[in-house]
Amino acid sequence: EDKVVQSPLSLVVHEGDTVTLNCSYEVTNFRSLLWYKQEKKAPTFLFMLTSSGIEKKSGRLSSILDKKELFSILNITATQTGDSAVYLCAVLYNAGNNRKLIWGLGTSLAVNP
Amino acid sequence: DVKVTQSSRYLVKRTGEKVFLECVQDMDHENMFWYRQDPGLGLRLIYFSYDVKMKEKGDIPEGYSVSREKKERFSLILESASTNQTSMYLCASSVTRGVYEKLFFGSGTQLSVL
Repeated sequence: EDKVVQSPLSLVVHEGDTVTLNCSYEVTNFRSLLWYKQEKKAPTFLFMLTSSGIEKKSGRLSSILDKKELFSILNITATQTGDSAVYLCAVLYNAGNNRKLIWGLGTSLAVNP
Repeated sequence: DVKVTQSSRYLVKRTGEKVFLECVQDMDHENMFWYRQDPGLGLRLIYFSYDVKMKEKGDIPEGYSVSREKKERFSLILESASTNQTSMYLCASSVTRGVYEKLFFGSGTQLSVL
């Protein structure tokens, strides 16, 4: 069964801490892995990863993919209260003639001042 | 910036009512999607469309239909609302057919069916 599993489900940290969020997957015909940030309601795109070992970086956020071990991590350094959100991982894969996107349940991050 | 607008943030309907959820995007995107998001189940695809008047079933289309008469507008229809359709509904769009990675989401409609 195709699946995406995120851990931890929730996390509470203090401002300034560094956090690592995990996403593991089991799919056939993998194409890409995506990270989204969901504040309030609308998820917003963070990263797309297709190749192992190549870090994607945007400010204090970075992410890397390991296609051999089938997981990705999202790192946030020097966390701020504005980083409080649900972080969603999704995997795009080929399913027959179609492409399918399967989502994890998310990691809820709370950053306390 | 791409804007995906959902017509209502909160909606309360009665069982059996016909419900329309509207979504409009302003960036000429070809693909549009309807998801529902439930605690413990995550985001699940209901329907998507890659062109005007085209529609494809997602993973959970039962009890729903869609309409795409214009490129910018994608409507989700609950023909006869039921309590198990109480959920957060998210509309999304992406640039071109075959590009599903970078989705732009609306702010969601929290639907309660009583």
